[in-house]
Amino acid sequence: GIQVEQSPPDLILQEGANSTLRCNFSDSVNNLQWFHQNPWGQLINLFYIPSGTKQNGRLSATTVATERYSLLYISSSQTTDSGVYFCAVEGRGSTLGRLYFGRGTQLTVWP
Amino acid sequence: GAVVSQHPSWVICKSGTSVKIECRSLDFQATTMFWYRQFPKQSLMLMATSNEGSKATYEQGVEKDKFLINHASLTLSTLTVTSAHPEDSSFYICSASGGRVNTEAFFGQGTRLTVV
Repeated sequence: GIQVEQSPPDLILQEGANSTLRCNFSDSVNNLQWFHQNPWGQLINLFYIPSGTKQNGRLSATTVATERYSLLYISSSQTTDSGVYFCAVEGRGSTLGRLYFGRGTQLTVWP
Repeated sequence: GAVVSQHPSWVICKSGTSVKIECRSLDFQATTMFWYRQFPKQSLMLMATSNEGSKATYEQGVEKDKFLINHASLTLSTLTVTSAHPEDSSFYICSASGGRVNTEAFFGQGTRLTVV
């Protein structure tokens, strides 16, 4: 299956700082999603972004499909941003909706 | 976005008993749903693909007789952990995708299973 690598694995920030999370994938994709997993385990959809750039408040994401990577930007971080951020992709030829996950980035934001 | 509901959120059961977890798509029909498993501080690993009206497709290494999947309708898939043992304790989470062009996946709340 398709390989998904996320970096960094851990990130510790002071409140108000900006950060960039990266996701590299090994093959062409139909779909790429970013999720935030909250402390209760719920996966919150952040972006559906197979290509291009999207913004939602303090978060934005860019996927460069031809170079097989995606970036998630968090600006003016808040303590509530803490948690695990996952990148997941649906490979070309995969069952629609079947996602391959990276290992995640554990983000901790201190007040 | 679409809503996927999973029940129960947590369950504690005795070793040797069976546990059923439900996954429902509330506002769309899903011919395919997916069941993932997550161990503490690890990523999500696909266990099986649940196909409405037909047998589930299991990933390599997943015991189909232990993890029974039934997808009886376009809005409901169930995962039954049979004869549960402590090593089956984990976080189980389902997903569904409603579209054919936009295949954005939505996840249930997850079920934390503890087998004692």
